[in-house]
Amino acid sequence: SQKIEQNSEALNIQEGKTATLTCNYTNYSPAYLQWYRQDPGRGPVFLLLIRENEKEKRKERLKVTFDTTLKQSLFHITASQPADSATYLCALPNNQAGTALIFGKGTTLSVSS
Amino acid sequence: NAGVMQNPRHLVRRRGQEARLRCSPMKGHSHVYWYRQLPEEGLKFMVYLQKENIIDESGMPKERFSAEFPKEGPSILRIQQVVRGDSAAYFCASSQTRDSNEQYFGPGTRLTVT
Repeated sequence: SQKIEQNSEALNIQEGKTATLTCNYTNYSPAYLQWYRQDPGRGPVFLLLIRENEKEKRKERLKVTFDTTLKQSLFHITASQPADSATYLCALPNNQAGTALIFGKGTTLSVSS
Repeated sequence: NAGVMQNPRHLVRRRGQEARLRCSPMKGHSHVYWYRQLPEEGLKFMVYLQKENIIDESGMPKERFSAEFPKEGPSILRIQQVVRGDSAAYFCASSQTRDSNEQYFGPGTRLTVT
């Protein structure tokens, strides 16, 4: 079965720096990969989706890459702000064509001013 | 345009009681997913439903748990004879179509079993 690993449980950076979060998967290459943000006590919020034929996707200060050879996605937040502090979750479909999602445990980002 | 609504937000049940969690999807969405988040663990898929149909229940425990999404009204996740291990946050998500991929999550119901 598919397994997802997010590189670290916690990442601390200074305001203005670029945060880079890693998501690795172990099994089949998914048709797409998603990133969500979750704040304490709240539900996840969809951020970006990248499909298997896309190398890179951008949205404002966010950038996602998808390397199917390495079985890895990188999630970047440029010019980070304290308001970016949250847990970021990587998610894949639960099978090659599925729409239910498997989530990583998340990386908790703390941006200090 | 209201988002996904879940109620109650907090639910306390004694061991052996039943818990009913409700989810109203976003307007125009006919696909509903339930996930469970245990303390210190990631979100785990439980079940995927469309109106009147269970499409994928591969993540549902075999006993005590059931889900429905009737033609009218919210989707309901039902847990019978709750045990302490059922204490968790239960999230519902909805999507517009099966292939839309983006899922919109509700605020969750926090179930505490005493």
